[in-house]
Amino acid sequence: DAGVTQSPTHLIKTRGQQVTLRCSPKSGHDTVSWYQQALGQGPQFIFQYYEEEERQRGNFPDRFSGHQFPNYSSELNVNALLLGDSALYLCASRRLEGMSYEQYFGPGTRLTVT
Amino acid sequence: AQSVAQPEDQVNVAEGNPLTVKCTYSVSGNPYLFWYVQYPNRGLQFLLKYITGDNLVKGSYGFEAEFNKSQTSFHLKKPSALVSDSALYFCAVRAYSGNTGKLIFGQGTTLQVKP
Repeated sequence: DAGVTQSPTHLIKTRGQQVTLRCSPKSGHDTVSWYQQALGQGPQFIFQYYEEEERQRGNFPDRFSGHQFPNYSSELNVNALLLGDSALYLCASRRLEGMSYEQYFGPGTRLTVT
Repeated sequence: AQSVAQPEDQVNVAEGNPLTVKCTYSVSGNPYLFWYVQYPNRGLQFLLKYITGDNLVKGSYGFEAEFNKSQTSFHLKKPSALVSDSALYFCAVRAYSGNTGKLIFGQGTTLQVKP
């Protein structure tokens, strides 16, 4: 049973460019959340997707957008990259129904903006 | 506002000794609390959760956590530390919003277990 997978592992972009990160949730999970973890910080919630719609959003600008596909996989898009967007981007999944509230995290994508 | 505080940036303990990593929270309503561990250049790995019930929660790798409602704390504990427990530990609270619910994380505590 594969866990949460993310691609790519590492990415280097230039200021002003756009980037797309991808996530496949754990088998049986239908809800995907994205988090940004800056160096030395705890993860910060970006947004959550369920049934292909954004259900909840954190305090991030509109440059951050996402998408969820019918197979529950998800993309995170960041436009007009800033140096401050350099971080580890984590995807987490869970099954919405039921009493299991924990989220399972992928290994992350390390984004470096130069 | 809902928040989590981990008052110690680093905890040092000798192998074989008990360890405690502290966490306090502020949340409206009943708290759903979690502990995660992160090894270098890796994602977060779920250790344990408190949703309801017994205040002492047992999790993976011999870890446990004690929920204390009056002190709004959820400290992570292990009776006997291993060198391999050295990692970054995060406490998190679920911010309830319908059935979705984002996680709010503390800043993290680095656990260093010395042989």
